[in-house]
Amino acid sequence: DTAVSQTPKYLVTQMGNDKSIKCEQNLGHDTMYWYKQDSKKFLKIMFSYNNKELIINETVPNRFSPKSPDKAHLNLHINSLELGDSAVYFCASSPPDREFIGELFFGEGSRLTVL
Amino acid sequence: GQNIDQPTEMTATEGAIVQINCTYQTSGFNGLFWYQQHAGEAPTFLSYNVLDGLEEKGRFSSFLSRSKGYSYLLLKELQMKDSASYLCAVTDSNYQLIWGAGTKLIIKP
Repeated sequence: DTAVSQTPKYLVTQMGNDKSIKCEQNLGHDTMYWYKQDSKKFLKIMFSYNNKELIINETVPNRFSPKSPDKAHLNLHINSLELGDSAVYFCASSPPDREFIGELFFGEGSRLTVL
Repeated sequence: GQNIDQPTEMTATEGAIVQINCTYQTSGFNGLFWYQQHAGEAPTFLSYNVLDGLEEKGRFSSFLSRSKGYSYLLLKELQMKDSASYLCAVTDSNYQLIWGAGTKLIIKP
């Protein structure tokens, strides 16, 4: 059983298109995240949701819109894709205890390539 | 600003010991975490330190000195499969996770 699963794993698309990435966790965690990892391998947080509510929204273009229908799901929709959006996007979740909030469980990643 | 520093790349020999250092400057401190990330895969949690001292987990140990803003990850009896990036991360006073850029560890036979 995969704890955090995200789809699709690979996404190749043209500039200007709109795409979505879905994420689901079966760990019963309250907090979920979207991270972006670029070609330099630096992990950068984009969004964080706690029990379906947005708690972190870093400086991300408003072309990126997260949506959490319930606490087990956090999807990411990207409008008008640009070349610079090419990266690996990781979904993650963390336990409810604050002291362990840094113990993240990551999905496999979605590699987005914009042509 | 908040900052986490770790070496970009290190090389070590199979069977040897390697120490990967991490220094941090954050607004507050609530814990330090080490992750391992193999190429093309997701990061996986390795260890957690909140108090000063050494935490041992099999071949891997992690040390923390809060007064120095310093941690290290010690890997013993290196195996080829330990070739990966190792990321240091700190939770600040707001429990936000601040990440280092990672250290790429290359193991040679």
